[in-house]
Amino acid sequence: QSVLTQPPSVSGAPGQRVTISCTGSSSNIGALYDVHWYQQLPGTAPKLLIFDTNNRPSGVPDRFSGSKSGTSASLAITGLQAEDEADYYCQSYDTSLTGSDVVFGGGTKLTVL
Amino acid sequence: QVQLQESGPGLVKPSETLSLTCSVSGASVSNKYWSWIRQAPGKGLEWIGHIRDLGSTTYNPSLKSRATISADTSKNQFSLKLRSVTGADTAVYYCARQWARYNNYFDSWGQGTLVTVSS
Repeated sequence: QSVLTQPPSVSGAPGQRVTISCTGSSSNIGALYDVHWYQQLPGTAPKLLIFDTNNRPSGVPDRFSGSKSGTSASLAITGLQAEDEADYYCQSYDTSLTGSDVVFGGGTKLTVL
Repeated sequence: QVQLQESGPGLVKPSETLSLTCSVSGASVSNKYWSWIRQAPGKGLEWIGHIRDLGSTTYNPSLKSRATISADTSKNQFSLKLRSVTGADTAVYYCARQWARYNNYFDSWGQGTLVTVSS
């Protein structure tokens, strides 16, 4: 059971917009800690996609964007492309004294129809 | 450009100690935080722990004190030891640079190494 909750799967047709949600709690996202997103293509290491909730590293297309509200965050992908088919993970800091500093969502598999 | 490369045995026997090393180029392990993350087959990401610039460490409590992370600044490497392994420790192990404690995103990753626990 992951501390951050993501839908197991989402799908969309090429050119469409999809969003992936990440729900946390008052000890992580709700405590105003930033959310980060990773893209993991099959058989490869995760790649940083969004950092500090809504910032893109150099080289990441502006089709990818992040946002946060309350105890939840979202990753939006516009102009969906076949190469976007991958697993996506959210991540944040957690202040729970009995848990890990670093928490991940369980991951969402994006299928491009 | 920061590059990380994991190395170590791909097969470990149950109850023994898993040992991995991460070699870093393009950055110094004396700066920032350096983490180990693992991913069991078909599962999500699990943070194991990190070592920071002054040598202090923090671990995921779920590992029940079985993990130890250390650094060798002369070789620009950091290492993971995981004791008393079981089949549940079979995973791809990644080393990664963690930007900071609170802004704790991982901006550079190794390619990962599969460790199988089996007799």
